[in-house]
Amino acid sequence: QKEVEQNSGPLSVPEGAIASLNCTYSDRGSQSFFWYRQYSGKSPELIMFIYSNGDKEDGRFTAQLNKASQYVSLLIRDSQPSDSATYLCAVRPAAGNKLTFGGGTRVLVKP
Amino acid sequence: NAGVTQTPKFQVLKTGQSMTLQCAQDMNHNSMYWYRQDPGMGLRLIYYSASEGTTDKGEVPNGYNVSRLNKREFSLRLESAAPSQTSVYFCASSSGQQETQYFGPGTRLLVL
Repeated sequence: QKEVEQNSGPLSVPEGAIASLNCTYSDRGSQSFFWYRQYSGKSPELIMFIYSNGDKEDGRFTAQLNKASQYVSLLIRDSQPSDSATYLCAVRPAAGNKLTFGGGTRVLVKP
Repeated sequence: NAGVTQTPKFQVLKTGQSMTLQCAQDMNHNSMYWYRQDPGMGLRLIYYSASEGTTDKGEVPNGYNVSRLNKREFSLRLESAAPSQTSVYFCASSSGQQETQYFGPGTRLLVL
């Protein structure tokens, strides 16, 4: 079992709809959770981080964390073609300070 | 403010050749990291440096060496390149190990 798992996609959503991305992790003691966006041929850039159970909103993005169920999700509201990218989930395990990345979910927003 | 810079952007090597990938950051960050990214594999940590003067192995360190030259610079060396090291290499930095990591633009390496 991978430490951090994501559906590779592609997740195809119409413009204006909500894109919902999920990420599960195996280390129950993980403390910090990050979502990065990566355009094709570019480097990852941080969208959001979340440490506590519940929702965290930033503009059109909402991160949701459920530590009991060991998943973190990212919602993209009013999806735009410019949101088409690969979204990487990263988790900092309880032991150590290194980030573990999932394989990423490719999102395609169709006009 | 350039953030994290990497050189070169692209490189083609023959099997057995050596090379050094350079990384520098101007954000006064303490921690620096080297990752490789392969299709479907996500980012995998090769080596990291928690602070100037220290380096530690990550998930996939075999075939690589690193040097934390000073607080700004962290280099990755391939002593004898192999086709399995064909990948995109990203350098990242953070103010501390618990903090957000910021990535450089990447180096695309092809080993023939």
